[in-house]
Amino acid sequence: DIQMTQSPSSLSASVGDRVTITCRASQDISNYLVWFQQKPGRAPKSLIYAASSLESGVPSKFSGTRSGTDFTLTISSLQPEDFATYYCQQYRSYPITFGQGTRLEIK
Amino acid sequence: QVQLQESGPGLVNPSGTLSLTCAVSGDSISSINWWSWVRQPPGKGLEWIGEINHSGTTNYHPSLKSRVTVSIDKSKNQFSLRLSSVTAADTAVYYCARRPSCPGGDCSVNYFDYWGQGTLVTVSS
Repeated sequence: DIQMTQSPSSLSASVGDRVTITCRASQDISNYLVWFQQKPGRAPKSLIYAASSLESGVPSKFSGTRSGTDFTLTISSLQPEDFATYYCQQYRSYPITFGQGTRLEIK
Repeated sequence: QVQLQESGPGLVNPSGTLSLTCAVSGDSISSINWWSWVRQPPGKGLEWIGEINHSGTTNYHPSLKSRVTVSIDKSKNQFSLRLSSVTAADTAVYYCARRPSCPGGDCSVNYFDYWGQGTLVTVSS
């Protein structure tokens, strides 16, 4: 199985801040990585797919990058609605695996 | 607009079988997609369970493979999950989701693009 190691597990930030979340794959997954946002009681919502492509309708303050097996999600100018839990997920090979999540909280 | 809706019992006895159905609207279950199940224990992360495509081909998580069956019902445009010999560790919110199957050879979009709202299944006597 490909392990997805996400960090940090939690993060406190203020409205207007810029934050970065990292996900490291245990082996090469090419660009087959998606970032999801999940709010309490809701299904995950895709933000970035193929490591750096912005999902339709998602604000451009969300961006993704890849460097080898390291992936980052950056959120600029945090707004109250951005405080949620974020997950990465690889779809390069079976079994499909997720990172353990990053809980973004208001400072 | 594609919509998925899970249904099934919210309470299952230990050692029993969990059975859920996902009704699909806005898309044909016979289209070139993978139809998947993902679960999330309370307060924890996401775990992929398994999936099926229009031809009935299935893929399962190795840790659950011996207990899982995913099936498809084209006449009702829905697919189903059965998980046998359940324990308290199987208590979770269960989601169904769609995953496009490399349309036109483009596998960059082979991720979960539509999800159901999720349904909580509790394993308890």
